[in-house]
Amino acid sequence: DGGITQSPKYLFRKEGQNVTLSCEQNLNHDAMYWYRQDPGQGLRLIYYSQIVNDFQKGDIAEGYSVSREKKESFPLTVTSAQKNPTAFYLCASSDTAGNTIYFGEGSWLTVV
Amino acid sequence: GENVEQHPSTLSVQEGDSAVIKCTYSDSASNYFPWYKQELGKGPQLIIDIRSNVGEKKDQRIAVTLNKTAKHFSLHITETQPEDSAVYFCAASMHNNDMRFGAGTRLTVKP
Repeated sequence: DGGITQSPKYLFRKEGQNVTLSCEQNLNHDAMYWYRQDPGQGLRLIYYSQIVNDFQKGDIAEGYSVSREKKESFPLTVTSAQKNPTAFYLCASSDTAGNTIYFGEGSWLTVV
Repeated sequence: GENVEQHPSTLSVQEGDSAVIKCTYSDSASNYFPWYKQELGKGPQLIIDIRSNVGEKKDQRIAVTLNKTAKHFSLHITETQPEDSAVYFCAASMHNNDMRFGAGTRLTVKP
């Protein structure tokens, strides 16, 4: 099946730890995105990548890092510098020829 | 930058009634307006979208209207069913990397 796979679905982080969320897509999309979702708010863009080996900061990039070494993969690292990391994280992708963005099923990150 | 406002934040309707969710946007350059449905604990799914060269688009029980002059667009769901219950998000963009989302509307369809 074509789609976007995020893992793990649930992740717990201790104070001071870095954690990495995985995102893989087999849609052959050039562009990939990471969004953060908090209760009662819309989705906010963390980072995006339009092409392999290139990525740009979104609106709330502080405390996060990404890499884009392969077209199908766009992992997100939540660093210890992110002071309020508990949230639902959504990975997405799109064909740069159009605007439609498709989302994965999300990953819940909780700080314990 | 673009700012999208969505109303209402919660909406409760009886099964079979219609539901309308409204969004306004600020950037007149925005030309793409998708609507997403998100079920609890899942990622948003695109249900319908409209581009600025079209005023209305319909797909079975779902329709979207766009008023470029007033900078607002709306989602209409007719003959609502319990499975329509979810959170709905509108969004507006000119480029994929500048898409802005509304805060969401929690729709409850009561049987």
